[in-house]
Amino acid sequence: SQQGEEDPQALSIQEGENATMNCSYKTSINNLQWYRQNSGRGLVHLILIRSNEREKHSGRLRVTLDTSKKSSSLLITASRAADTASYFCATATTQGGSEKLVFGKGTKLTVNP
Amino acid sequence: NAGVTQTPKFQVLKTGQSMTLQCAQDMNHNSMYWYRQDPGMGLRLIYYSASEGTTDKGEVPNGYNVSRLNKREFSLRLESAAPSQTSVYFCASSEFLFGGIEQFFGPGTRLTVL
Repeated sequence: SQQGEEDPQALSIQEGENATMNCSYKTSINNLQWYRQNSGRGLVHLILIRSNEREKHSGRLRVTLDTSKKSSSLLITASRAADTASYFCATATTQGGSEKLVFGKGTKLTVNP
Repeated sequence: NAGVTQTPKFQVLKTGQSMTLQCAQDMNHNSMYWYRQDPGMGLRLIYYSASEGTTDKGEVPNGYNVSRLNKREFSLRLESAAPSQTSVYFCASSEFLFGGIEQFFGPGTRLTVL
């Protein structure tokens, strides 16, 4: 079953605007990761935030984690056409003594020039 | 470094045919994974290998087998392909199993079963 659920499913913005994507999950996590997938390509890791962290930055990316609300957000500032891609959150949890990484269904971001 | 490579890139099979998807990584990673991605869906884990010599089932293992040939290579076999196995297959690797580290993905194999 899916652990992380992204919202919205699709987002269309103009170049230069900020894009915010959200991820909600159901059970306690060890960490949460965000990945990007360009059309027809494999996934590329963007950023990882641990359960004891609240915010993390990487270049134009800002990720927040609210464990009380079981949610995370990915903010891309000053978006570019090259940011057009699908974005997936993945939650790392421990189940039955083993660790699992479960991907959500993704948010499809379109940045219009 | 090539990272994670997959062959073939595209494949069309008829129902009942068999084939093996190949995956190799040159990052000296211990753990490797096979996922499938269906339209509008996230990735679902088929099988994984924590380290050389071990393999375990993931979320959707039925209809598949895997072989961890050595530390570099992890293959996925469809013994008798079915239309429900039409999907894009991704291989990934990481230094250790899952955990607080990133996975590196190959470019994918687009498989169609008629």
